[in-house]
Amino acid sequence: DTGVSQDPRHKITKRGQNVTFRCDPISEHNRLYWYRQTLGQGPEFLTYFQNEAQLEKSRLLSDRFSAERPKGSFSTLEIQRTEQGDSAMYLCASSLVTSGGNEQFFGPGTRLTVL
Amino acid sequence: SQQGEEDPQALSIQEGENATMNCSYKTSINNLQWYRQNSGRGLVHLILIRSNEREKHSGRLRVTLDTSKKSSSLLITASRAADTASYFCATDARGQNFVFGPGTRLSVLP
Repeated sequence: DTGVSQDPRHKITKRGQNVTFRCDPISEHNRLYWYRQTLGQGPEFLTYFQNEAQLEKSRLLSDRFSAERPKGSFSTLEIQRTEQGDSAMYLCASSLVTSGGNEQFFGPGTRLTVL
Repeated sequence: SQQGEEDPQALSIQEGENATMNCSYKTSINNLQWYRQNSGRGLVHLILIRSNEREKHSGRLRVTLDTSKKSSSLLITASRAADTASYFCATDARGQNFVFGPGTRLSVLP
């Protein structure tokens, strides 16, 4: 257990439905990342927050995806009008950025299946 | 394209043997990190090596970094069945998001 939690762990939905995932990072960490991972691939960057500010968003991320971190603590990732291609593991990570580096602590992930 | 590319894609060894995985990348980096992922689980950070370091050890792990060749290697000595997992390198570069390679799937056979 890294201290980063994600909810739910599994989500099955029908195409066209909206889904929302939650990530609770390690409390003192200032950065929070969202990644997507498909079978046999490494995590693919989606977006990240520095405190409550969303600083970067992948060009690959469609307008159907939105993320928030309203109080600089937990974060939500919403996917609207889900498509079968959205089926993947969604990983959240947090880090405390220092001059020494940016070690990321990952949550267990939310596995999304779009039928 | 991926910043980091691990090699080989898959590796099977016997328990007790050493396992070596390589990672190549394209641009200058601040640091390079190795992560492990057990099937269906989140990633676990193993080791970070800064761009001004050449070698780092942590228990049975040894990481090297050659910035002139833009490559890194991860050596796991005296492997155990519990080391069976996917191993990813990730580069942390200025002005670039954290980029993971596709990983090496290691199988340690008892």
